[in-house]
Amino acid sequence: DVKVTQSSRYLVKRTGEKVFLECVQDMDHENMFWYRQDPGLGLRLIYFSYDVKMKEKGDIPEGYSVSREKKERFSLILESASTNQTSMYLCASSPGQPLEQYFGPGTRLTVT
Amino acid sequence: GDSVTQMEGPVTLSEEAFLTINCTYTATGYPSLFWYVQYPGEGLQLLLKATKADDKGSNKGFEATYRKETTSFHLEKGSVQVSDSAVYFCALSDPTGANNLFFGTGTRLTVIP
Repeated sequence: DVKVTQSSRYLVKRTGEKVFLECVQDMDHENMFWYRQDPGLGLRLIYFSYDVKMKEKGDIPEGYSVSREKKERFSLILESASTNQTSMYLCASSPGQPLEQYFGPGTRLTVT
Repeated sequence: GDSVTQMEGPVTLSEEAFLTINCTYTATGYPSLFWYVQYPGEGLQLLLKATKADDKGSNKGFEATYRKETTSFHLEKGSVQVSDSAVYFCALSDPTGANNLFFGTGTRLTVIP
C-alpha cells in the first residue's frame, strides 16, 4: 500500500515563527502536493511538484514556499507564520496524470 | 476553468436509508472523476473513480456513474451505516491540464442509528 506520512499531526506555533511541515511518500511517485483544508472552502492547492527540485504554484501560494530535494520528500515552509495560516494541511502524492492522489493524515496547525 | 460543485451539507440520515450526494463539474477536455472520503481525524482516502464517460465506479457499496451529457458524477449508496459518517469530496483531474485535482467543498454525512 502507498504510504504518505506527515511529520506532525498537531502543531502550535507563534506568529512570526518559521514553520516546516514535512511529507514523505514511499512509492516513488513523481508528483507531490500540498493543500490546506478549511471549513466551507474544501481543499485548496498551495504548491505542487512534478519532479525533484521542480515546483509549481497552486491557487494560494502567498505566504508559503516549498522544497523538494529528494523524490520522496516534499516540505512546506511558512516563512513567517500568521494567524490566518491556522488550518489543516494535507500532503498528497500521485504517480502521474490522471491517476488518483494518495493523502497523508494531515497536520493541524494552530498559529497563536 | 475547471471546477466541481457538490451539494452542500450537512446531510443526516438514519441507518439503512438511501444516500445521494450530487456532484457536477465544469472542465475542458475529458476529465477523470473521483470521490474521496475523509473520516474524522484522518486524511482523504480514495473511495471510487471513473476515467471516461458512462464508466461506473464502485466500492464499499457506494456507486457513481460518469455522465458526460449532464456533467455529473453523483454518489449513491443503497443502505448507509453509522460507519459511513464522514466528509465526502468530489474531485476531477483534467488530463489536458496540470497534474492536480480540483475538489468540491465537501459534504458532511452523519448517519444515526
